[in-house]
Amino acid sequence: NAGVTQTPKFRILKIGQSMTLQCTQDMNHNYMYWYRQDPGMGLKLIYYSVGAGITDKGEVPNGYNVSRSTTEDFPLRLELAAPSQTSVYFCAGRDRGRRSTEAFFGQGTRLTVV
Amino acid sequence: SQELEQSPQSLIVQEGKNLTINCTSSKTLYGLYWYKQKYGEGLIFLMMLQKGGEEKSHEKITAKLDEKKQQSSLHITASQPSHAGIYLCGADLNAGGTSYGKLTFGQGTILTVHP
Repeated sequence: NAGVTQTPKFRILKIGQSMTLQCTQDMNHNYMYWYRQDPGMGLKLIYYSVGAGITDKGEVPNGYNVSRSTTEDFPLRLELAAPSQTSVYFCAGRDRGRRSTEAFFGQGTRLTVV
Repeated sequence: SQELEQSPQSLIVQEGKNLTINCTSSKTLYGLYWYKQKYGEGLIFLMMLQKGGEEKSHEKITAKLDEKKQQSSLHITASQPSHAGIYLCGADLNAGGTSYGKLTFGQGTILTVHP
């Protein structure tokens, strides 16, 4: 039972490079999210999706893009990496339903932009 | 300012001591979630609280929700080195139909337990 899986775990990028952070889930979550975690700042929402083909901006979307072509996959794209994007990125999934449920998180991707 | 404020931001205790972490919201809480994170790892779900006055326990960790104060507390009894990590509270701050399940998080509390 894999849950929410993120790749890679670590990455170093040079300023201006691009990359895609992968996120896949096998729990059939309707809702998926990308957060970034900076020291002392908790988690900030970058983008979210309520289902295949539907995405929307969160609190800190600038410099990022997402797509959701399938229920399982929710990749995050950085087009022109900047030092301000050095952070730990978490993907999460959550069920939609009448009762609230917890969000399930991936193991995180630690990204350094130099 | 943060919609969810955690206190303290960091805590250092001796093994065996009790401790409390608080999470206070500036908005109505529709659900409160506690997570623990070890360095370099993902978030592990601890407990969910939904109703005012609700209290849940798991092993030596107890969480309570005070609806009047819009606050939750996480209490660890007889702390152990295995309790060390970052504790994060997350909350549903909007009614279910409008929030799309988005959780708002506090800034985290770093707990160190000295043997």
